[in-house]
Amino acid sequence: ETGVTQTPRHLVMGMTNKKSLKCEQHLGHNAMYWYKQSAKKPLELMFVYNFKEQTENNSVPSRFSPECPNSSHLFLHLHTLQPEDSALYLCASSQDRLTNYGYTFGSGTRLTVV
Amino acid sequence: QKEVEQDPGPLSVPEGAIVSLNCTYSNSAFQYFMWYRQYSRKGPELLMYTYSSGNKEDGRFTAQVDKSSKYISLFIRDSQPSDSATYLCAMIIIQGAQKLVFGQGTRLTINP
Repeated sequence: ETGVTQTPRHLVMGMTNKKSLKCEQHLGHNAMYWYKQSAKKPLELMFVYNFKEQTENNSVPSRFSPECPNSSHLFLHLHTLQPEDSALYLCASSQDRLTNYGYTFGSGTRLTVV
Repeated sequence: QKEVEQDPGPLSVPEGAIVSLNCTYSNSAFQYFMWYRQYSRKGPELLMYTYSSGNKEDGRFTAQVDKSSKYISLFIRDSQPSDSATYLCAMIIIQGAQKLVFGQGTRLTINP
């Protein structure tokens, strides 16, 4: 399998649940990103990992917890979410944080918080 | 003021029409410019990439950058129903690490 793969594709969770989103890239990239995409808003960068180290956290609430065990895998752990957290969560990767090229995105996880 | 402004549409045109999608930006330090296409229930995919003022052509698609006006455009000739998607402009600024900033996206529908 090539590219960036995200699982699950869809997730419905209650506000008291704990769940995790998974992202895997087979491109040999060293930087990985979590984005949130809400209707009528630009993509919001959440977290950045470069060579497995978190380099950016854009004021994301602590109910979102990222994990990057190696350069190929990225997780987003979710707990006690709010309905306004319902969105499409996109994972992306790039060669590294210095590349001037764009990112490769996965297909996203459509999250609904009820 | 947003760093990147993009009309969200929606934009609906008949098949075969020429489509013009536009973004403006406020920071003259942006150096690299991209257009992503996002189909429904998919992630964005890179469509066009350019780093200088002028035009870049790829098949039916032309990306245009005017750095003096801080304005970028994507033109689609002979538009097809399969071009129906959301188009996002994006641009990169290098400040230590690179920073990629997206526009809001324009939803485009090509009617057969």
